[in-house]
Amino acid sequence: KNEVEQSPQNLTAQEGEFITINCSYSVGISALHWLQQHPGGGIVSLFMLSSGKKKHGRLIATINIQEKHSSLHITASHPRDSAVYICAVLDNYQLIWGAGTKLIIKP
Amino acid sequence: NAGVTQTPKFRVLKTGQSMTLLCAQDMNHEYMYWYRQDPGMGLRLIHYSVGEGTTAKGEVPDGYNVSRLKKQNFLLGLESAAPSQTSVYFCASRLTGAYEQYFGPGTRLTVT
Repeated sequence: KNEVEQSPQNLTAQEGEFITINCSYSVGISALHWLQQHPGGGIVSLFMLSSGKKKHGRLIATINIQEKHSSLHITASHPRDSAVYICAVLDNYQLIWGAGTKLIIKP
Repeated sequence: NAGVTQTPKFRVLKTGQSMTLLCAQDMNHEYMYWYRQDPGMGLRLIHYSVGEGTTAKGEVPDGYNVSRLKKQNFLLGLESAAPSQTSVYFCASRLTGAYEQYFGPGTRLTVT
């Protein structure tokens, strides 16, 4: 069993839909990192969180430490949100990576 | 402030050839990392460094060597490339005490 599991693996939605990507982990962690990888390949950090909730624009990330679960939400999705979203958990300053969720937003 | 840069962006090697990938950061970060990314898999840590002159093995170190002679540079070497090393390689860095890693644009390597 992978230590970090993301669901779904692939997600296609229409523009404007509310998007949820989930991340579950089995190790004890210091923090959880959400990143975005665009089709061009570059990886950008979205959030680093260790409790509660963070919001940046249309993106919201939540984490439940007791349940070992985090979600990334996108409100009013747009085609430019199409990317791979990656969850990684921080265990002793090493990141353990999920395999990513490929999101496609259709106009 | 260029952040994290990687050289080269693309490379094709024949089996048995050697090459070095360069990662440079101008943020004065102590920690630097080399990852590989393969289709359907998460990023896997190859080697990392916690400071100038120090390196350590990650999850998949076999077939690779690294050096950190200067704080701003982290080199990844392939002494004898194999087709299994065809991958996209990412470098990242972070500050001591901070969790967030900053990534370079990646190097796409093909070994034929």
